[in-house]
Amino acid sequence: GAVVSQHPSRVICKSGTSVKIECRSLDFQATTMFWYRQFPKKSLMLMATSNEGSKATYEQGVEKDKFLINHASLTLSTLTVTSAHPEDSSFYICSANDPGLAVYNEQFFGPGTRLTVL
Amino acid sequence: DQQVKQNSPSLSVQEGRISILNCDYTNSMFDYFLWYKKYPAEGPTFLISISSIKDKNEDGRFTVFLNKSAKHLSLHIVPSQPGDSAVYFCAASALQTQGGSEKLVFGKGTKLTVNP
Repeated sequence: GAVVSQHPSRVICKSGTSVKIECRSLDFQATTMFWYRQFPKKSLMLMATSNEGSKATYEQGVEKDKFLINHASLTLSTLTVTSAHPEDSSFYICSANDPGLAVYNEQFFGPGTRLTVL
Repeated sequence: DQQVKQNSPSLSVQEGRISILNCDYTNSMFDYFLWYKKYPAEGPTFLISISSIKDKNEDGRFTVFLNKSAKHLSLHIVPSQPGDSAVYFCAASALQTQGGSEKLVFGKGTKLTVNP
């Protein structure tokens, strides 16, 4: 099946530092990847749609300069949280489509990255 | 404005019985609905989906029902097993005819506990 990986799975950093999270599609090529954020006891909130070779499309209220997204290849998208602050602490999850496998274009999710900013 | 609502934050059922998870939506443009299962500290796993042209889709122990007029869908799990204990997210999307991938709008999830 379609496998999506994320690295790192957990990261703890100091306030003011930048953190990069990688999302990879392991056995398929993903022209589109999605980045979500999940707060405790809350739903998954779409942050941005990452398109290979072009700029990401950010959802309303998401700071594009704060959350930098790069989708340089068909198997890798990165999310960089710049100048992280404690309020950025969250569970970040990426997903991707595999048009060759999905029946209805469903998304396949990575395992998530727990970010803690001290 | 919450477009996809799961009004029950939790549900507890006995092993072997039926679990019914409900989901309501407000956007009439949604035409594709999915259920995802999520364990703590893991990404969601796709479970089952249904297109708006259908009112039922079945896959093993899992059946999703869609009532378009009521803007309501439900996931039935029967018989429920302890391993089904997880958070279940309902998600919806609207078909985009210009290609690209559809965005998903998620509900807040329902935590299902199946007791042995």
